[in-house]
Amino acid sequence: GAGVSQSPSNKVTEKGKDVELRCDPISGHTALYWYRQSLGQGLEFLIYFQGNSAPDKSGLPSDRFSAERTGGSVSTLTIQRTQQEDSAVYLCASSTRDRGSETQYFGPGTRLLVL
Amino acid sequence: GNSVTQMEGPVTLSEEAFLTINCTYTATGYPSLFWYVQYPGEGLQLLLKATKADDKGSNKGFEATYRKETTSFHLEKGSVQVSDSAVYFCALRTGANSKLTFGKGITLSVRP
Repeated sequence: GAGVSQSPSNKVTEKGKDVELRCDPISGHTALYWYRQSLGQGLEFLIYFQGNSAPDKSGLPSDRFSAERTGGSVSTLTIQRTQQEDSAVYLCASSTRDRGSETQYFGPGTRLLVL
Repeated sequence: GNSVTQMEGPVTLSEEAFLTINCTYTATGYPSLFWYVQYPGEGLQLLLKATKADDKGSNKGFEATYRKETTSFHLEKGSVQVSDSAVYFCALRTGANSKLTFGKGITLSVRP
């Protein structure tokens, strides 16, 4: 079946511009996660959705970052007034229960470069 | 808080060599433990997992045993192949539907 998809695959933007990153989870997966992978920081958790609500936003690095999920499916991560340190690969994952233990399935990521 | 520590890399091995990648963790509660792999140009894939102490996860010839007494989840493979060249991440999760905490990852290169 179809996996997690993300768009765009690459995004180049100028410092100060806003960007939107999209994630389409696996159909039927109720949990959705955003992570960021950067050279200096490794893989960092950003935010977790269960359905349309976000019980854990603890990883969002600043108030320039926000995310929403609609219809329990697609999610959008928005970065306002981008900075060069926002350059990273943004990964989305979705999950279901697998014999009592959750497995998170990752998308291919969006590579963001802020000039 | 939770944390995962992986051995420093990169690691370069010859084909058919034995592989060990160390991973230790600190966690509140009883975590589930995971190894994820990222092949060149591809996304993160789950390699194996273990959900309770003494469980052994295995896949594609790789194995890791959940050791509560040493808080470790070392990854091993008896004979590596060139196709195993990738970045390997150790991770943990505490609680259902909660975030993964990752180690920094280690790059493995296998030479023919």
